[in-house]
Amino acid sequence: AQSVAQPEDQVNVAEGNPLTVKCTYSVSGNPYLFWYVQYPNRGLQFLLKYITGDNLVKGSYGFEAEFNKSQTSFHLKKPSALVSDSALYFCAVRDLTGGGNKLTFGTGTQLKVEL
Amino acid sequence: AAGVIQSPRHLIKEKRETATLKCYPIPRHDTVYWYQQGPGQDPQFLISFYEKMQSDKGSIPDRFSAQQFSDYHSELNMSSLELGDSALYFCASKFGRQGVHEQYFGPGTRLTVT
Repeated sequence: AQSVAQPEDQVNVAEGNPLTVKCTYSVSGNPYLFWYVQYPNRGLQFLLKYITGDNLVKGSYGFEAEFNKSQTSFHLKKPSALVSDSALYFCAVRDLTGGGNKLTFGTGTQLKVEL
Repeated sequence: AAGVIQSPRHLIKEKRETATLKCYPIPRHDTVYWYQQGPGQDPQFLISFYEKMQSDKGSIPDRFSAQQFSDYHSELNMSSLELGDSALYFCASKFGRQGVHEQYFGPGTRLTVT
């Protein structure tokens, strides 16, 4: 089965500092990986995805993610955090088991950016 | 740009009642997914449709059913509601059953069962 793991329930960072939200994956075949962000009482917003190609993927709102095959990781990064980045972040993997194309999510990481 | 529309946004039902959630995908998107997110949980896949046919099934209770209509909108029907069904229900849409396009999520329907 395809799965992703987010080892940190919460990440705290000061505004202006770089942030990293960790994600590791376990898949059979090529991994198709995604990051989504969820603000309180809102839906999931797509940030970026890795399909193939460059290991550094750039996405929305200044976020980027680094795909590392040897470490089976897909960490989300941002060079300079903003208070408005505070939200719940989900890593997800495309899961083809069952014949569909569903997403399997990690448990989420709450990012808190403080002044 | 048009987004995924879900209705209602909030729904309060009593145990053993029924509920119907609706999802209107982004125009030209032919694939719809339903996810359930319990309090403090990650979204869990329920069921998906492609071109009005069920394409995949996840941890959806037998009390729930869903379908996709000719205009690609989808409805999730929930019967004999239980307290544990209280959750945020998301619909997501994408173009194409397979492929690498990302799913776009609606704002969700918050169902509270009392």
